[in-house]
Amino acid sequence: IAGITQAPTSQILAAGRRMTLRCTQDMRHNAMYWYRQDLGLGLRLIHYSNTAGTTGKGEVPDGYSVSRANTDDFPLTLASAVPSQTSVYFCASSEKNTGELFFGEGSRLTVL
Amino acid sequence: GQNIDQPTEMTATEGAIVQINCTYQTSGFNGLFWYQQHAGEAPTFLSYNVLDGLEEKGRFSSFLSRSKGYSYLLLKELQMKDSASYLCAVRDRDYKLSFGAGTTVTVRA
Repeated sequence: IAGITQAPTSQILAAGRRMTLRCTQDMRHNAMYWYRQDLGLGLRLIHYSNTAGTTGKGEVPDGYSVSRANTDDFPLTLASAVPSQTSVYFCASSEKNTGELFFGEGSRLTVL
Repeated sequence: GQNIDQPTEMTATEGAIVQINCTYQTSGFNGLFWYQQHAGEAPTFLSYNVLDGLEEKGRFSSFLSRSKGYSYLLLKELQMKDSASYLCAVRDRDYKLSFGAGTTVTVRA
């Protein structure tokens, strides 16, 4: 069982470029989330989706967009990357009623 | 919104007990979670409290007081492998989790 798969694992990106981080889960969870983790700030929610076809903004949504065309996939797009988006990005999923999050292994993004 | 506070760092000796406190202020409380995160890895679930009281799971216990906006995670019989960051997270009524900045626990021999 793969759980949650994120790609790429690591990426160096020039400022101004467009980038999509991919996230796929095989647990048929209703809810999916994108967090970024920065030293001293912990995990901060970027966007979330409670079910396929719906999305919502988290604590730090600016500069990011998401889509949820089906249950399994939840890509995160940076339309025009900036250096402040250098971070480790974690995708997570959960059954809505239990709330326990299952995390992917993370994507380390560096914007130069 | 959520405001979650926990200590930045704690150090303890192998075999000892450590208690990590977490205080929170929230506009809609719907459960409190503790996660463990080793350096360079993803967080993993440790415990969940939605009602007041103590939840015990092996060497780990978690306590919640909703009226005080307070929780703690108790780690007993510390082992070297327990050196990690411990994250307190609060769930709101929209089922979103907000995390504290994490407490780095260092276990020394």
